[in-house]
Amino acid sequence: QITLKESGPTLVKPTQTLTLTCTFSGFSLTSTGMGVGWIRQPPGKALEWLALIYWDNDESYSPSLKSRLSITKDTSKNQAVLTMTNLDPIDTATYYCAHKRGRGGPFDIWGQGTMVTVSS
Amino acid sequence: DIQLTQSPSFLSASVGDRVTITCRTSQGISTYLAWYQQKPGNAPNLLIYAASTLQSGVPSRFSGTGSGSEFTLTISSLQPEDFATYYCQQVDSYPITFGQGTRLEIK
Repeated sequence: QITLKESGPTLVKPTQTLTLTCTFSGFSLTSTGMGVGWIRQPPGKALEWLALIYWDNDESYSPSLKSRLSITKDTSKNQAVLTMTNLDPIDTATYYCAHKRGRGGPFDIWGQGTMVTVSS
Repeated sequence: DIQLTQSPSFLSASVGDRVTITCRTSQGISTYLAWYQQKPGNAPNLLIYAASTLQSGVPSRFSGTGSGSEFTLTISSLQPEDFATYYCQQVDSYPITFGQGTRLEIK
């Protein structure tokens, strides 16, 4: 059974850096085809894909946020970490991590999400 | 970027109704399309992938069709637990994009 859980700060000041950790079980990011993505959702708005990392270290980013994002994995801890720099109040959202089933596959299992508020 | 446009954005229906939501993409994506259901306060839940494959555990009243640039999600007989927001998503090319959502409410 695959599970994922996001962790990180709930409140961040503008211009600060946000680091979110996705801790997962039921699969390994050393196994062929496995991927973990990050998606966010501002209050009352639609889903927005942010970043993705695969078992073979292939990384992809939303072009509009690429300069501010970094995604890494720690296979020994079963974690994927998203870093976002220079936070702004418009980055206030619920941030989800999700398991991706192969490069052409969907996000089939999602974490519960973590709400991040950017405010001074 | 591939744009996804869902219609309608809002839908009011009754228990037992058959409803269809459409997702149109700005360019062809073969069948690299997924549908998600999201209830308030919860993470999205995968319903359909590869345009028409039902995710394990999802009731058979949900079905998906389409290829290229036009796709549909149909709920054959609405149940009370189906009132939620539905999103389509393309995984054909980066950046991965989602539709704006269709909010399905009880009439």
